[in-house]
Amino acid sequence: AQSVTQLGSHVSVSEGALVLLRCNYSSSVPPYLFWYVQYPNQGLQLLLKYTTGATLVKGINGFEAEFKKSETSFHLTKPSAHMSDAAEYFCAVSYLIYNFGNEKLTFGTGTRLTIIP
Amino acid sequence: GAVVSQHPSRVICKSGTSVKIECRSLDFQATTMFWYRQFPKKSLMLMATSNEGSKATYEQGVEKDKFLINHASLTLSTLTVTSAHPEDSSFYICSAIGTSGQTQYFGPGTRLLVL
Repeated sequence: AQSVTQLGSHVSVSEGALVLLRCNYSSSVPPYLFWYVQYPNQGLQLLLKYTTGATLVKGINGFEAEFKKSETSFHLTKPSAHMSDAAEYFCAVSYLIYNFGNEKLTFGTGTRLTIIP
Repeated sequence: GAVVSQHPSRVICKSGTSVKIECRSLDFQATTMFWYRQFPKKSLMLMATSNEGSKATYEQGVEKDKFLINHASLTLSTLTVTSAHPEDSSFYICSAIGTSGQTQYFGPGTRLLVL
């Protein structure tokens, strides 16, 4: 069975500093990996996804993540934090792929990112 | 991006009553919709997958008679919590996939409190 672990339920960084949100997964088959962001009172929005190919994936709002199979990790980074990045971030892995897009997602517990002015 | 709405955003009900939550895709046709439940400080747990015009597929451990799902049209799916109990109190989130089948778009969630 697939599972996702997000280290740190709360992360605080100063505006302009590096953002690093950690995600480790376990999967018996090659995973599809996702990062979603949830702003207050809004739905989840896809930041980026890894399926196959290049292991460094670039997403929206300047975020990127690198798939490291040897470390079973998919950490999310952004070089310079902005106040608008404050939100809840979820890492997810898919399993039972029917066709791309119909994936069932297993989510991590989420990391709340706070930006310090 | 595509927009998914949920109604109501928050509902409080008495134990024993039934509550219906609507999930709508506002600007696209959703061939597949998913229903999730999120406990405080916990992951989103997939409850069921529904395809338009067919019966929902429930995840292991989810009571299909307790959580009735109807996906009657390409823009609407409903989740009915029947005979609600306090332990059903939770945050319920839906997502939808369009005909292109590329990305799940999530609704803003519905917070249910059963007294």
